[in-house]
Amino acid sequence: GAVVSQHPSRVICKSGTSVKIECRSLDFQATTMFWYRQFPKQSLMLMATSNEGSKATYEQGVEKDKFLINHASLTLSTLTVTSAHPEDSSFYICSAIGTSGGVSYNEQFFGPGTRLTVL
Amino acid sequence: GNSVTQMEGPVTLSEEAFLTINCTYTATGYPSLFWYVQYPGEGLQLLLKATKADDKGSNKGFEATYRKETTSFHLEKGSVQVSDSAVYFCALSSGNKLVFGAGTILRVKS
Repeated sequence: GAVVSQHPSRVICKSGTSVKIECRSLDFQATTMFWYRQFPKQSLMLMATSNEGSKATYEQGVEKDKFLINHASLTLSTLTVTSAHPEDSSFYICSAIGTSGGVSYNEQFFGPGTRLTVL
Repeated sequence: GNSVTQMEGPVTLSEEAFLTINCTYTATGYPSLFWYVQYPGEGLQLLLKATKADDKGSNKGFEATYRKETTSFHLEKGSVQVSDSAVYFCALSSGNKLVFGAGTILRVKS
């Protein structure tokens, strides 16, 4: 199956700094990527959807100036948490759908997630 | 709006026991339904899915049937193994977006 990686797996930062999380599709072209946030013992909440080369579409209640998403290539999307605060501490997960060798993947393939802790 | 409710965990079972994890949904229209599994330290993986009423999804001994009349998609396995220990998420599709339940931790003891 298709593989999605995330980097870093864990990050700890000071309040007020910005943090960038990368999401890569390793063996397929990700035409659409999704970013989720997961709180402890809660479900994954979709934050935004990004199509390659286009601006991301944010879900209601998600601050687009706070969570900057860039999907500049078919294999890479980044999520930047700007001026992070302790309430931004969470588990961030990306997923992707796309194509490989003419075959379309309509199933979302998930990365392993990034644990962000803001002190 | 669309939502998914699944039973709270953790669920602790002995090896070879029967597993049921309940999942019910609220949705407009006729969504596809999914079960995802997340093993420790790994990303979510699609376990099985069903795209219309009365469809049964199955994989690795797990099964779930799309019940429109009860808006349910319960996950079952006849005989669990220690290697099935993971977090299980029920989800529905809304366009190309997924709506997830809160996840159920399954622990299987040998």
